[in-house]
Amino acid sequence: DVVMTQSPLSLPVTLGQPASISCRSSQSLVHSDGNTYLYWLQQRPGQSPRRLIYTVSNRDSGVPDRFSGSGSGTDFTLRISRVEAEDVGVYYCMQGTHWPTFGQGTKVEIK
Amino acid sequence: QVRLVQSGAEVKKPGASVKVSCKSSGYTFSRYGMSWVRQAPGQGLEWLGWISAYNGNTNYEQKVQGRVTLTTDTSTSTAYMELRSLKSDDTAAYYCTRDGAISFGGIGSFDVWGQGTMVTVSS
Repeated sequence: DVVMTQSPLSLPVTLGQPASISCRSSQSLVHSDGNTYLYWLQQRPGQSPRRLIYTVSNRDSGVPDRFSGSGSGTDFTLRISRVEAEDVGVYYCMQGTHWPTFGQGTKVEIK
Repeated sequence: QVRLVQSGAEVKKPGASVKVSCKSSGYTFSRYGMSWVRQAPGQGLEWLGWISAYNGNTNYEQKVQGRVTLTTDTSTSTAYMELRSLKSDDTAAYYCTRDGAISFGGIGSFDVWGQGTMVTVSS
């Protein structure tokens, strides 16, 4: 299985400040079709996961532009340019190139 | 509006089976597939398997293969996940999430999620 490793696992942030989450995969996530199926999910407290980003850097409809994804191969990053209160929750990276696997999750909380 | 609505919470005894439903609306069911993901209390996410609503093909995660069966009913646009020989560590919230028609993973994968079904296994 492809192991997805996120860091940090806990991220206290000040409102209005930027935040960054790293995700590394144990194998390249470049699919034979040329796409990289790396997703970022947000799970607010008590809610189902919600997809924010697909294929590394594409934002889903309705996702604020303060969220951005970048990376390639085995190293990926989710950035929040200015954290708002509604961003509190757990963020997961996930890959769909191989048998789907998830990172451990990063808990974002307000300082 | 695309929606996935799952069946209600279940309490089962060890060794029993559970079948969770996931009814879709707002899109053409047979043009997609469905993945199932679970989350033990306070834990992370674990993919269980995928089924194509287009041709019925399935893939199962090795950890649950042999105990899980995914099915679809295109007449009601509903996907089902049955888990047998339940153990206490199967206690989790189970989610359906829209996926590809030909294979799991893809640009359109995991874009819509059900509200989750809590399955508790306890004697």
